[in-house]
Order: sequence, then structure tokens, then C-alpha cells
Amino acid sequence: GQNIDQPTEMTATEGAIVQINCTYQTSGFNGLFWYQQHAGEAPTFLSYNVLDGLEEKGRFSSFLSRSKGYSYLLLKELQMKDSASYLCAVLPYGQNFVFGPGTRLSVLP
Amino acid sequence: SQTIHQWPATLVQPVGSPLSLECTVEGTSNPNLYWYRQAAGRGLQLLFYSVGIGQISSEVPQNLSASRPQDRQFILSSKKLLLSDSGFYLCAWKGAGQGLETQYFGPGTRLLVL
Repeated sequence: GQNIDQPTEMTATEGAIVQINCTYQTSGFNGLFWYQQHAGEAPTFLSYNVLDGLEEKGRFSSFLSRSKGYSYLLLKELQMKDSASYLCAVLPYGQNFVFGPGTRLSVLP
Repeated sequence: SQTIHQWPATLVQPVGSPLSLECTVEGTSNPNLYWYRQAAGRGLQLLFYSVGIGQISSEVPQNLSASRPQDRQFILSSKKLLLSDSGFYLCAWKGAGQGLETQYFGPGTRLLVL
């Protein structure tokens, strides 16, 4: 089966950099995804990694290492509006998405 | 561009009453469609998914059912709601072809059963 682990909560200061880790156990997958979910709202797609390495999108970057079963989401120049839950998800071959429990990030002034 | 709609946005229903939540997708054909539930402070639980009209797969046994009467319409129903059915219901779609793996969520319906 698949299992995804993420820290439950993180706190960081406005303007800082934060790294949210995700570890997973799955035999093979089409991609690893990160979503942002503000309180009371639906998740929105942030990034998608297929190959090992870093994908950069503005202030957000996502890294994947298939051999290590590990991904992280890097948020730079944190803003108050980045306070949200961040969901890691994998799409195993021939199966549906498996979502992690999410990491609730609080950005403090 | 593709858009996904859900309604109603919020619903308060008494225990034992029926339920019908609707989801529609625009700007794409033959999408894979999904219903998730998210309890307060919890992760996403996949309830149903559909790869085509009339094709429904259930992930967990429950008090709910789903139907897909048209290509871009997905409905979540219940004949008699339970208190435990309260939660945030999210519809999502994904392209059916290779290279179209990203899943996109609708705005959600917040259901409170009293």
C-alpha cells in the first residue's frame, strides 16, 4: 500500500524560507504533487514532479528524489497569505491519488 | 480553459433527510471525476470516482451514492443523512489521457447535518 508522511504543523516568520518535507512508500507512481489549501477553501494545485530534481515556480519550488522516497516544498520570501495547509500527494500507477495528511503552516509577522 | 463548479456552497440538513450535491466541469471532455470528503481538520477521503458516463467506483462503504448522468456532471446523493456525513465535500477532475495527471478541485460544499 501507500503511506505518506508530513509534519503536522510548522511555524515560520514573514520573509523567511521554509521547507515542508514529505516522505512516501509506494512501489511506483506517475507523479508527486503539492497542493495549497487555505482554511475553509478547496485545495489548489501548486506543483508536479515526475523526474528527480527541483521544479521552480516563482517563490515556490518542489524537489523529488524517487530513490529516497522523499519530496519537499520550499517557500521563499514568506508572506502572511502563505499561511495554509500544504498537501503532498502521489499518483501510483493505475490507481487514484493518495493524499498526505497535510502540513499546517503558520506565518508570523 | 477548464472550470469546475459545485453547488450548493453551504448546506444545513436534518438527520434523515435526503442529499443531492452537484458538480459540473466545463472546457474538457471525458474527464475522470472524483468525490472527496474532508472532515474538520482531517485529510481528504476519496469517496467515489468515475471514468465515464454511468461508470462509478466506490472507495469506501458508506451512506452515500454517486451518479454520472452526463459526461461532465457528477452527483453525490444520500437517501437518509447521518450526523457523521457532515464535512466538506470536494469534487475534482483529471484529464483522462497520458500526461494529464494533475487533479483540480471544485470550490467545495460544506455540509452540516444536525
